Amino acid sequence: QSVLTQPPSVSGAPGQRVTISCTGTSSNIGADYDVYWYQQLPGTAPKLLIHGNGDRPSGVPARFSASKSGTSASLAITGLQSDDEADYYCQSYDSGLTGLVVFGGGTKLTVL
Amino acid sequence: QVTLKESGPAQVEPTQTLTLTCTFSGFSLSTSGMRVSWIRQPPGKTLEWLARIDWDDDKFYSTSLKTRLTIFKDTSKNQVVLTMSNMDPVDTATYYCARMDDRSGYSFDYWGQGILVTVSS
Repeated sequence: QSVLTQPPSVSGAPGQRVTISCTGTSSNIGADYDVYWYQQLPGTAPKLLIHGNGDRPSGVPARFSASKSGTSASLAITGLQSDDEADYYCQSYDSGLTGLVVFGGGTKLTVL
Repeated sequence: QVTLKESGPAQVEPTQTLTLTCTFSGFSLSTSGMRVSWIRQPPGKTLEWLARIDWDDDKFYSTSLKTRLTIFKDTSKNQVVLTMSNMDPVDTATYYCARMDDRSGYSFDYWGQGILVTVSS
């Protein structure tokens, strides 16, 4: 049971827009900690997609964007492409007893 | 160019102590704002943060695993070492080291390729 809750799977057709939610609590996202997003292609290490203030590292396309409100955050992917098919994870900080860093359970994106 | 690479045994026996080394390049862990964490991922499961060491030698551990973990750095060798005692089959996972740079917030901006560690007799 992850501290941050993500849907196990989402899907969309090429060119469409999908969103992935990440729900936390008052001790993590709701405590105004930043939320970060990672993409993990099969058999590879996670790759940072979104860092502080919703910014994208160099090389990450503008099709990826993030938002946050209250105790939830979301990742939006527009103009879906076949190579977007991957697992996506959210990450934040927690001031409770679980430890400093918390991850979501991950969401498998399938491009139909 | 920032790179990190994990090394250590591919298999350990139950009750043994695991020692993993993260060797990095392209940054210095003596530079203010630099930090290195260890994160693991059991097969088919999500990521779990384990420990972190900062440029000023501050150390932080997962609450649930802190009694089993030790992290330290050798700045001259650009290495961070993690030990995990009393290994159990449930600790079978891919172990990653990852960098944090205060300029990117508290995100993990560079990751190693990971090392799969299997706990089995």
